[in-house]
Amino acid sequence: KQEVTQIPAALSVPEGENLVLNCSFTDSAIYNLQWFRQDPGKGLTSLLLIQSSQREQTSGRLNASLDKSSGRSTLYIAASQPGDSATYLCAVNGDFGNEKLTFGTGTRLTIIP
Amino acid sequence: DTEVTQTPKHLVMGMTNKKSLKCEQHMGHRAMYWYKQKAKKPPELMFVYSYEKLSINESVPSRFSPECPNSSLLNLHLHALQPEDSALYLCASSRPGTAGEKLFFGSGTQLSVL
Repeated sequence: KQEVTQIPAALSVPEGENLVLNCSFTDSAIYNLQWFRQDPGKGLTSLLLIQSSQREQTSGRLNASLDKSSGRSTLYIAASQPGDSATYLCAVNGDFGNEKLTFGTGTRLTIIP
Repeated sequence: DTEVTQTPKHLVMGMTNKKSLKCEQHMGHRAMYWYKQKAKKPPELMFVYSYEKLSINESVPSRFSPECPNSSLLNLHLHALQPEDSALYLCASSRPGTAGEKLFFGSGTQLSVL
């Protein structure tokens, strides 16, 4: 059974710093990995999706990498802003389609002005 | 239009009530999902509809009854819920059967069962 772990559970950094969020998974047989952002009491917003054949994806200040063989992904946020404060979840897809996403427990990020 | 719209945003109901949650998308997605999320926990999959047919039911109690009337709408009918069913209920959609498709979520319905 796939298990997805995100460490740390919470992280606080001063505004302007670069930071890295970590995601690890136990079964390397995945189709893709998605990073989501969730604001309190709201739905999830998909930030980046990395196919299993890819090593990284970039969108603006965000860069996600994937090392499938070691079961790890990182989300790099450059020049952090207070608006980046949210919970970030990674989810691995072990099947063709989105029917069997396994979510991590998330990292709650606080950017200190 | 890249939105998934959920109504209502908040719902308080008693254990004997019957209510429905609604979800709508106009992105042409033919896979739609219901997730349940408790506070500080990741979302848990409840149901998946693919081409308007129920394809996955993750052993959800029968007091939750999903319905997909057409390709744009997804409902979740609630009856005789328990206080432990209080949670954020999220609807999502994507293109089915294709790896590499992002999942689009609605903003959720915060449900409280008294």
